[in-house]
Amino acid sequence: DADVTQTPRNRITKTGKRIMLECSQTKGHDRMYWYRQDPGLGLRLIYYSFDVKDINKGEISDGYSVSRQAQAKFSLSLESAIPNQTALYFCAIGRTDTQYFGPGTRLTVL
Amino acid sequence: SQQGEEDPQALSIQEGENATMNCSYKTSINNLQWYRQNSGRGLVHLILIRSNEREKHSGRLRVTLDTSKKSSSLLITASRAADTASYFCATDPISNDYKLSFGAGTTVTVRA
Repeated sequence: DADVTQTPRNRITKTGKRIMLECSQTKGHDRMYWYRQDPGLGLRLIYYSFDVKDINKGEISDGYSVSRQAQAKFSLSLESAIPNQTALYFCAIGRTDTQYFGPGTRLTVL
Repeated sequence: SQQGEEDPQALSIQEGENATMNCSYKTSINNLQWYRQNSGRGLVHLILIRSNEREKHSGRLRVTLDTSKKSSSLLITASRAADTASYFCATDPISNDYKLSFGAGTTVTVRA
């Protein structure tokens, strides 16, 4: 089984809809991250969490919110999706210096 | 903002040749890491080099770090078709609480 799973893997939604992307892990790492990837821009950090009671904004948190429901689960919500949130979204986990990435969710907002 | 900048943006080589890509960054770091991403998939960690190290090897990968120039290079020797991917450098800036800063990546195509 994969260490980091993301659901859904693909999602098409309409402007104004609320959507939640979910991430779960089996490695027991404390740190969890949400990134978005746009062509030519690399990965940008949206939110990160170092434990269940610790949530921090990244460089592009506007329009997003997160919830750390348990040590193993970290979800990302778009309260009212807009077309420029169309991107590839990755969840990652970490304990030491390196991060381990999930397979990604391809989100399209029409 | 992105800390790392990779160069070149894209690279096409023949199978068996070496591939070299570079990364420059702006602030002092704890370590620098290289990740690989196959088309549309999650990133996979390749190698980490700490700020007090100058060179590191892992299989066909060789990474160098020059902290005085704030730059790193990744060399893939004897490339294979399976090395076709995008490669990203990620810096762990000092006092940045385990937040990595990724560059835009170098896309490598290995021709058979």
